[in-house]
Amino acid sequence: EIVMTQSPATLSVSPGDTATLSCRASQSVSSNLAWYQQKPGQAPRLLIYGASTRATGIPGRFSGSGSGSEFTLTISSLQSEDFAVYYCQQYNKWPPYTFGQGTKLEIK
Amino acid sequence: EVQLVESGGGLVQPRGSLRLSCAASGITFSRYWMSWVRQAPGKGLEWVANIKQDGSEKYYVDSVKGRFTISRDNAKNSLYLQMNSLRAEDTAVYYCATVSGWLVEYFDYWGQGTLVTVSS
Repeated sequence: EIVMTQSPATLSVSPGDTATLSCRASQSVSSNLAWYQQKPGQAPRLLIYGASTRATGIPGRFSGSGSGSEFTLTISSLQSEDFAVYYCQQYNKWPPYTFGQGTKLEIK
Repeated sequence: EVQLVESGGGLVQPRGSLRLSCAASGITFSRYWMSWVRQAPGKGLEWVANIKQDGSEKYYVDSVKGRFTISRDNAKNSLYLQMNSLRAEDTAVYYCATVSGWLVEYFDYWGQGTLVTVSS
């Protein structure tokens, strides 16, 4: 099973600034990585797949990068609606699909 | 508009059973692999099971193998999860989700979830 590790667990950033979230895989997952956003009481929402392709309707301020075992989600010009929990997920080798434990992005 | 609506959650005693349903609309249901993903209270996401478009392939996370069964009825645009021998650690919100991508990759549409609580 591929273990996904996200850092930091909590990130405090001011609105208008840029947030950088990290995700590391225990072995290479190539570019087979997705990112999700989850707000309290809501289902997760797909943001990025293929490590860097934005899903339909996702604003351009969300960008993903990386390959192999190191990945980054960057959110620029943070808006109030961006404060949420973010998860990475690998699909290079399944079953099982595995998720990171999440990074909570909070307002500084 | 895509809608996935889960139902069937509730309070069940340990070793009990429950059947979850997910009704899909706004998509051609029969074209999608489908999944169940769960989230324990205050915890992260855990994939539970997958089923191919025609139901011919099914996959499970090890912790539910032999206890949970995923199934679908394409005529009813519905996905199911039969959960037997439930344990306290199965307590979670259960989401159904479509799986997209050439190699059955990521979860693009999600339902709102249904809460399963296993407790005496």
